[in-house]
Amino acid sequence: AQSVTQLGSHVSVSEGALVLLRCNYSSSVPPYLFWYVQYPNQGLQLLLKYTTGATLVKGINGFEAEFKKSETSFHLTKPSAHMSDAAEYFCAVSDHKDYKLSFGAGTTVTVRA
Amino acid sequence: NAGVTQTPKFRVLKTGQSMTLLCAQDMNHEYMYWYRQDPGMGLRLIHYSVGEGTTAKGEVPDGYNVSRLKKQNFLLGLESAAPSQTSVYFCASSYSREWSNEQFFGPGTRLTVL
Repeated sequence: AQSVTQLGSHVSVSEGALVLLRCNYSSSVPPYLFWYVQYPNQGLQLLLKYTTGATLVKGINGFEAEFKKSETSFHLTKPSAHMSDAAEYFCAVSDHKDYKLSFGAGTTVTVRA
Repeated sequence: NAGVTQTPKFRVLKTGQSMTLLCAQDMNHEYMYWYRQDPGMGLRLIHYSVGEGTTAKGEVPDGYNVSRLKKQNFLLGLESAAPSQTSVYFCASSYSREWSNEQFFGPGTRLTVL
């Protein structure tokens, strides 16, 4: 069984500052890792995913994440925050034994002008 | 393509009432899922389906039933609603048995049980 821990339920950053959202996972097999974003009163949309290959993954809206197997981490970053990045972000993991996703509890990002 | 749609968007029920939430997808996806989202708990899987006519229990199935009579539709039923079922419900779908299992989400249904 896999599980996901997101460190920090709320993150506040200044516009133009670095955004760093932390995600650690546990999985007994090689994982597939995802970051989803949820804007207020909307469904979730995929930011980026890691399946195999290059461990640095680039997504939409300038976000990227790095898979570090030794640290069982998949942290999400964006060099320069924009007001439109205010949302809730979810890390998720799946494996090849089943086709379900396990989600972290989410991190809410607020961006200060 | 509309993607994943959910009906209704909002609903208020009294304890003991029943209702059905409808999810439809036009992407010819094999897999469909129902989640509930509660503050601080992320998304929890209620039931899922790996194909037409098949369903399976997820993490929190009690008090819910599902049916997948057509490939494009996945229905979630509450036979006797309870206040603990107040939540936002999301439907999702995914294409195939590929390992990446990227899921596409609907806009959600906000349910309040009084």
